[in-house]
Amino acid sequence: AQKITQTQPGMFVQEKEAVTLDCTYDTSDPSYGLFWYKQPSSGEMIFLIYQGSYDQQNATEGRYSLNFQKARKSANLVISASQLGDSAMYFCAMRDPNFGNEKLTFGTGTRLTIIP
Amino acid sequence: EAQVTQNPRYLITVTGKKLTVTCSQNMNHEYMSWYRQDPGLGLRQIYYSMNVEVTDKGDVPEGYKVSRKEKRNFPLILESPSPNQTSLYFCASAYQGTGQPQHFGDGTRLSIL
Repeated sequence: AQKITQTQPGMFVQEKEAVTLDCTYDTSDPSYGLFWYKQPSSGEMIFLIYQGSYDQQNATEGRYSLNFQKARKSANLVISASQLGDSAMYFCAMRDPNFGNEKLTFGTGTRLTIIP
Repeated sequence: EAQVTQNPRYLITVTGKKLTVTCSQNMNHEYMSWYRQDPGLGLRQIYYSMNVEVTDKGDVPEGYKVSRKEKRNFPLILESPSPNQTSLYFCASAYQGTGQPQHFGDGTRLSIL
């Protein structure tokens, strides 16, 4: 069974500092995909970044990058130069290889607060 | 504008009164899904659909029904709601294919008294 673990329930970070949000996963399948989503206080879910298990390079999208360490089964989200608008809940999710994109397993999330 | 639209956004109702939460997407996505979000539990999948007339159970399907008669619509039905179904519900849709992100609606907050 798939499992996603986010061990940081909450984090406080000074504005403009870099942030790393932890995500570890458990799967026995060689083919899988990992997603990060942001949920601001307004409630919507915003897709941030995707990493495939066979991707040779770590994914990047603007200020977001994914520190993918396959041997450690970790897929940490890195936010560079944090901004007040980054304050939100962040979820890591894994695509179930038996179902493709039809089934995502989510972690419990990390609430990030950026301090001015 | 590409979007997933859920209605209603908020609903307070009573135990046993049947309700339907509608979900519609305008992106011609094959795949649609319903999740519920509860504090400390993240998002859990209720049902999903890979295409018209094809639906399957997720992790927490008890007490819910769905149908997919048209590609764009995927309503969630609570035939006899109970207080333990009080939650924040999300509908999502996606193209088939590796790496395609799911696009979420804005959520429906249900309170069952």
